[in-house]
Amino acid sequence: KQEVTQIPAALSVPEGENLVLNCSFTDSAIYNLQWFRQDPGKGLTSLLLIQSSQREQTSGRLNASLDKSSGRSTLYIAASQPGDSATYLCAVYGSGGSNYKLTFGKGTLLTVNP
Amino acid sequence: EAGVAQSPRYKIIEKRQSVAFWCNPISGHATLYWYQQILGQGPKLLIQFQNNGVVDDSQLPKDRFSAERLKGVDSTLKIQPAKLEDSAVYLCASSQRLAGSSGANVLTFGAGSRLTVL
Repeated sequence: KQEVTQIPAALSVPEGENLVLNCSFTDSAIYNLQWFRQDPGKGLTSLLLIQSSQREQTSGRLNASLDKSSGRSTLYIAASQPGDSATYLCAVYGSGGSNYKLTFGKGTLLTVNP
Repeated sequence: EAGVAQSPRYKIIEKRQSVAFWCNPISGHATLYWYQQILGQGPKLLIQFQNNGVVDDSQLPKDRFSAERLKGVDSTLKIQPAKLEDSAVYLCASSQRLAGSSGANVLTFGAGSRLTVL
């Protein structure tokens, strides 16, 4: 059974700081990995998707890396802003038996202080 | 393109009462998912439909939860009777591709329905 762990559970940083969020997964037989953002009371917004054959993806100030063999991914946020405050969720897409499903971590609650 | 619509956004009920949530996916999306997200946890898949057939309901508490997707479009998720531990946000998502195909996990999520059971 796939398990996804995110560290830290919460993070508070001053504006402008660079930061790293960590994600690990137990079953390396994944098709891809996604990072989502969730604002309070809202649904999930996909930020970055990394295919299993890729090492990283970049979008603006966000960079996500994937080390499939070690079961790890990181989300790097450069020059953080108060608007980045949200919960960040990592999810892996793999074959859970006969079904393909997204398995989520519990998320990292990020607070960027002005 | 319109997003995934869910209603109601908020619902407060007492334990042992029943509740139903509705989801309208993006037009043309073959796969529909219901996730349960308890406060402080990541979303957990309850049930996955492909068109109007069930692909995975292994984590659906079938003694109290039921779901259907009529005509492969809208879906409803029902809880009867509700328990305190059912308090959560119920997220609906849809995907254009069929399960297992490339791009199948590019899900679009709705805003969710927040359930409080007293």
